[in-house]
Amino acid sequence: DARVTQTPRHKVTEMGQEVTMRCQPILGHNTVFWYRQTMMQGLELLAYFRNRAPLDDSGMPKDRFSAEMPDATLATLKIQPSEPRDSAVYFCASERASGIGTDTQYFGPGTRLTVL
Amino acid sequence: SQKIEQNSEALNIQEGKTATLTCNYTNYSPAYLQWYRQDPGRGPVFLLLIRENEKEKRKERLKVTFDTTLKQSLFHITASQPADSATYLCALETGTASKLTFGTGTRLQVTL
Repeated sequence: DARVTQTPRHKVTEMGQEVTMRCQPILGHNTVFWYRQTMMQGLELLAYFRNRAPLDDSGMPKDRFSAEMPDATLATLKIQPSEPRDSAVYFCASERASGIGTDTQYFGPGTRLTVL
Repeated sequence: SQKIEQNSEALNIQEGKTATLTCNYTNYSPAYLQWYRQDPGRGPVFLLLIRENEKEKRKERLKVTFDTTLKQSLFHITASQPADSATYLCALETGTASKLTFGTGTRLQVTL
């Protein structure tokens, strides 16, 4: 049963610390998304990659957030320095893009981040 | 500005009834729209996709309609069960290359 995995599942850190979240997409999926979910804003797209190349990171605060795909099996989202307003659940999702734009995104279980 | 609105209030219905959830949008012209289910502590799970040229799509007890003139999608669950209790999110195609924008979701509670 193929699924997206994310680590860690929970992270509590202090303001100013660096946070790195990792995602392993489903094998064979060529598109990876990073979302952030809060009660106030709902599910927001931060950035996404196709074939490991960044396609859109317009939803991401550039000064402190960075997203990379070192290889096809690993995506990372880094926050440095972290702030209390970054507290949220961060989801990774992947899909096998067919090029006709009606593909399904498969979400991981999320990383719940709390910044004190 | 661009907006996707779903009922912010929770929807409470009795088992066996039909649940109807609404997704309204402004200033978008999506080629397709998707509905996802999210359970507490979990990521969203895809349920149905409907294209702009389709009026209605069904899957088992689920039915989705898409009215591009009204800029609205309705999501129906017939013969609802307590196991259908969850948050339901609509998502619009809002750009090239698979980009989706999600609504804030509606929480459905089905009681016995």
